[in-house]
Amino acid sequence: AQSVSQHNHHVILSEAASLELGCNYSYGGTVNLFWYVQYPGQHLQLLLKYFSGDPLVKGIKGFEAEFIKSKFSFNLRKPSVQWSDTAEYFCAVISPTSGTYKYIFGTGTRLKVLA
Amino acid sequence: GAVVSQHPSWVICKSGTSVKIECRSLDFQATTMFWYRQFPKQSLMLMATSNEGSKATYEQGVEKDKFLINHASLTLSTLTVTSAHPEDSSFYICSTGGGFTTEAFFGQGTRLTVV
Repeated sequence: AQSVSQHNHHVILSEAASLELGCNYSYGGTVNLFWYVQYPGQHLQLLLKYFSGDPLVKGIKGFEAEFIKSKFSFNLRKPSVQWSDTAEYFCAVISPTSGTYKYIFGTGTRLKVLA
Repeated sequence: GAVVSQHPSWVICKSGTSVKIECRSLDFQATTMFWYRQFPKQSLMLMATSNEGSKATYEQGVEKDKFLINHASLTLSTLTVTSAHPEDSSFYICSTGGGFTTEAFFGQGTRLTVV
């Protein structure tokens, strides 16, 4: 069965620190990859997505992620975090062979940025 | 992007009672909506796919008689947790949209506590 692993459940950083959140998936075929963010009290919203092409994907708010097929990874990065980045981050995979485009989510990482 | 509104945001109910959660697509017609559940420190797990005008499709292990889904119109899907028990306490999220190359749009979630 397909699965998505996020290695860090909680991360605490000071403002201006660099961020990297790990995401690994288990599926050998073609996948599309997403990072979603949920700010406190708000909806899940899309940060960035990878479908094909350049494996380094840039998203909103200065976030980027790199797809490394050989490592089955799609890690999220930001060079300098801000207090407003405090949120929960979810990595997700969708595969065309799953039939109905079901999302498979990781367990999420709660990021707290200290001002 | 599409706006999905979920109501209520949180609810506390007594064991044995039923609770209805609404998911509305505010700015486009959704023939398919998805219901997820998230237990603490676990990932969002797809419970069922709600299909307008027909029966919902439940994931393996999800009791269809306990989690009643109704998708009577293109803008509204409801999830009713029947005869709720404390173990049903969880965070429930609906989404709509989403395909292999398109993002999904999520409601803000409903935190259900059964006492």
